[in-house]
Formats: sequence, structure tokens, C-alpha cells
Amino acid sequence: NAGVTQTPKFQVLKTGQSMTLQCAQDMNHNSMYWYRQDPGMGLRLIYYSASEGTTDKGEVPNGYNVSRLNKREFSLRLESAAPSQTSVYFCASSVDLRGGSDTQYFGPGTRLTVL
Amino acid sequence: DAKTTQPNSMESNEEEPVHLPCNHSTISGTDYIHWYRQLPSQGPEYVIHGLTSNVNNRMASLAIAEDRKSSTLILHRATLRDAAVYYCILRDVIHAGNMLTFGGGTRLMVKP
Repeated sequence: NAGVTQTPKFQVLKTGQSMTLQCAQDMNHNSMYWYRQDPGMGLRLIYYSASEGTTDKGEVPNGYNVSRLNKREFSLRLESAAPSQTSVYFCASSVDLRGGSDTQYFGPGTRLTVL
Repeated sequence: DAKTTQPNSMESNEEEPVHLPCNHSTISGTDYIHWYRQLPSQGPEYVIHGLTSNVNNRMASLAIAEDRKSSTLILHRATLRDAAVYYCILRDVIHAGNMLTFGGGTRLMVKP
């Protein structure tokens, strides 16, 4: 099992460009998440999907959109990139977020720089 | 949301035990205590979690105080690979959708 995979690993954008970050999991998990991590900081939740067909905003959703394409895939789109979106983006999945003992599995991250 | 307090950094010698403390004085009865760690340039990985009783797994042990206002993650023999940022996080079992809220964590440095 590959676990959680993310593409691309690195990306450089110019201000105003758009791009989509891809995430896939092969663990048959119901819930998926997108986080960002700025240098020296903890992770902050952007969006999450409790189950296929649902998405909800997290702590820092502005400037982003998401699509839960199917049970395996959860993409994050930046419509008009800004320098403030320079960060490392992590995707995660879990069996089902509706439980205090639910644990998350993280991908390797996408390092995004917006010039 | 209940919050946690951890030391910013700790040092350990290789092959010695490490005790990473976490204070959570406002913990509620329905909060699980989760620990994750993040190795350099990697995504976080789950370490262990518990509710009231001490827990052991292949990676670590979790000791929970009787009043649940603090807990300690124990690495029995630190290796260089254990150098990472360790996050102590509370998750509410009742309020569906409560997310993992990552604070600053404790940066563990392991000396050879």
C-alpha cells in the first residue's frame, strides 16, 4: 500500500496563476483533509471531507477550493495564487473523523512557492 | 477548545529514555489525548493515543495522570531517528468533526 500520495512534490507559481494539488489514498478511508504548514509553525486545517460527497471549511479556507472526486481522491485548488500561500501543503486521511480515537495518516507534502 | 502546553525543546542522549510532558489542565471527560510527531521534511505521523489508562505500542508509551490534566509520552530508548517535533493534541469524542489542532509541539534533539 502506498498510503497517502501527493503530487506534485514541488511547485513554483507566479502571483495570479492557478494550480491544483492532487491527493490520493489507498486505505479505503472515509475522511480526508488538507493542511498547510508555514515555516516554524504547526499545521493549520484548510478544508476537510468527512465522507465522499461532502466538504467543509477548516481554519484557513480563504483562497482555496476543494473537490472530493471520489472516495480515494481529494484535490486542493488555488484559483489565483498569492505570495501568502507559499507554504508546505499536507494531505491526510482517516477511517472516519467522527470519533475521538480516529487517527490521521499524512502524505509527504507539496512545497509551494508563489513569487 | 481544550489546549495543551508543551516545552519548546528537549534534548536527549541516544539509547536513553525520553519523557516528553504535556499539560492539558482544561481537558474535558470526552477528550482523547493524541500524540503525533513530524520528522524533518516529512508529514506528521501518528504515535499513540489514550483516554484514561496508560497505553503502550511498538513506538512509545503514554502515561496519563490520574486527574488527566497532564500526560507524558515515553520513548524507551531514543535513537537518532526519533529527532522530531512531537505534538500533543486533544480530540473530543462527542463533538463530531473536531479536528486535530497542531500547536507548536516539542522539538526533540537526540545526541549521539
